[in-house]
Formats: sequence, structure tokens, C-alpha cells
Amino acid sequence: QVQLVQSGAEVKKPEASVRVSCETSGYTFTDYYIHWMRQAPGQGLEWLGWINPQSGGKFFAQKFQGRISMTTDTSIRAAYMDLLALTSDDTAVYYCARALLYELDFWGQGTLVTVSS
Amino acid sequence: QSVLTQPPSTSGTPGQRVTFSCSGSNSNLGTNFVYWYQQLPGTAPKLLISRDNQRPSGVPDRFSGSKSGTSASLAITGLRSEDEADYFCASWDDNLIHPVFGGGTKLTVL
Repeated sequence: QVQLVQSGAEVKKPEASVRVSCETSGYTFTDYYIHWMRQAPGQGLEWLGWINPQSGGKFFAQKFQGRISMTTDTSIRAAYMDLLALTSDDTAVYYCARALLYELDFWGQGTLVTVSS
Repeated sequence: QSVLTQPPSTSGTPGQRVTFSCSGSNSNLGTNFVYWYQQLPGTAPKLLISRDNQRPSGVPDRFSGSKSGTSASLAITGLRSEDEADYFCASWDDNLIHPVFGGGTKLTVL
């Protein structure tokens, strides 16, 4: 069955960076894009960007340009999201999801990232 | 502020029919499919309705979706206690060139 399993919770200090991983199984990794979203406490979902594991092509939300990176390792069917220069506003649950065209059909379980001094 | 608009909460009693609304604009719901997700506390969102009104394999027919213009709705019939969750809508936005989401509606089963 399709599974996306994310890395565990992180606590970071302001100005630090964080890497969240998303390990996939149960499907052909390169057939689907990986999208990243986040949900701050009490807020709705915010889209961060996507990456195409087949080509390496990526597209980020304008708000995060310059401090976000997304990569994949096709040998182990994993995707990674790095967010730099963290502030308290980045405290949120981060999700990965696979997508075919516009449909985000399977999601990871979420990774809580807490930014606190 | 979410691009798609959903009421924050709703409630119902077991066996009842409840509906959820999702309002957008021409650049998202007006031209693209709506997707509905169920999110149980502390778990990953689960795709409930795809492409306006299609149920993925394993989703009971108690769940149904519809769309008209820039508004969409999700209905649950025969409400059960295990349906208590957050429900959010999503679509693609042609102007933003990425997925957009509603803020979610929390369902309480009384």
C-alpha cells in the first residue's frame, strides 16, 4: 500500500535550519510529484512547493523563495524539505504529499517543527 | 487567511445528514476540480472526494461531493461518531499556480 512516512518532531532555535524527510513506499516514486505543506497552530494549510522526482524540477511559493530547498533521493525513494533562517512563525506541522497532476492523494503523517529560543 | 472559505465548525447527531460548504473564485473552484479531505485528530489528511464527486476506493458511499460554479459542498449521510474530524477542501488555483486550501470545518458528533 502507498505510504509516506515523515521524520520525527524537531525543536529548533531561531535562525537555525530544519530538514524534514519523507520516505515513500508502495508506488513508483518517479511517477508522482511531491508537494510540501504546513499547518501552523489553529491555522489552515499553507502550500510550500513541489518537486518532480523524475526531473528534479521544482517550484516554490514566492513567500519562501531564497530560504527553502527541496531534494529527492530516488535510490531510496525519499524526499527532503529544508527550511532556513527559522523564526517563530515557522512553528507548524509540515506535511509531504504525493500528487498526480493536481490531486494530492496520499499524505505523510506530519512533522511538528517548533521554533523557540 | 485561506484562499478557499469554509465555516469553522458544524455539528450533528448520529444518523443525521450534515453538509460542508467551500467557497472559492473563478481561478480555482470555477475552473478546477475540488477535493475533500478528512483529518482525524493527530493523523494525516485522507482523500475523501476526488474531482468534485468521485470517491476513492474504500470511501463509503455515505460521503458525497458536488460543485456548482465557485462553490462546492460535501455531504455525509448516516452520521457516525467516528466521522468526528476536520474536513477541508482543496483545489488548484490558475493564478497562483499551486494548490489552495480551505481553513477546514471541524465536525462534532453530538
